[in-house]
Amino acid sequence: QVTLKESGPGMLQPSKTLSLTCSFSGFSLSTSGMVVSWIRQPSGKSLEWLAAIDWDGDKYYNPSLKSRLTVSKDTSNTQVFLKITSVDIADTATYYCAREDDTMGFDYWGQGVMVTVSS
Amino acid sequence: DVQMTQSPSYLAASPGESVSISCKASKSISNNLAWYQEKPGKANKLLIHSGSTLQSGTPSRFSGSGSGTDFTLTIRSLEFEDFAVYYCQQYNEYPLTFGSGTKLEIK
Repeated sequence: QVTLKESGPGMLQPSKTLSLTCSFSGFSLSTSGMVVSWIRQPSGKSLEWLAAIDWDGDKYYNPSLKSRLTVSKDTSNTQVFLKITSVDIADTATYYCAREDDTMGFDYWGQGVMVTVSS
Repeated sequence: DVQMTQSPSYLAASPGESVSISCKASKSISNNLAWYQEKPGKANKLLIHSGSTLQSGTPSRFSGSGSGTDFTLTIRSLEFEDFAVYYCQQYNEYPLTFGSGTKLEIK
């Protein structure tokens, strides 16, 4: 059974760095073809893909945010991390991690973690 | 980036009716299109991938069609559990992009 769960700070101040963790089970990111992505959704708005990391450690970023994003994974291949630097109120959103399959899109999603940027 | 234009943004229908949602890509994405269902308190659910292939567990009243730039999600004989928000998404190239969503409400 594949599950993903996001965790984060809940709230942080503008200009700080947001650190998010995606903990997953039911698959290993060391398996060929596996990819985990980060996606976010401001309240009442659509979904925005942010970044992905694959089984081989290759990383992919949304060009619109690339300079502020860093995606990484742990050596046990059961967690993926996302850092967003210099956050702004516009980064307030629910952040999701999802398993990505290049033949079908995102087949499993976490429930999301809400992050509020506020002074 | 591939822009995904989804319409309508809002749809009201009654149980038993059929509805269709359109999704247009700004350039050809072959059949690399997925549809998702969003419900409060639940993880987003992949309904259809490859434009028209039902994901395991998706009821047969859902269907997808299209390729290239124009795609459609159709739900026949709506059931109460189908009232939700639906998104299309292209996975033909990075950055992956989503449509703006369609909120399906009970009339």
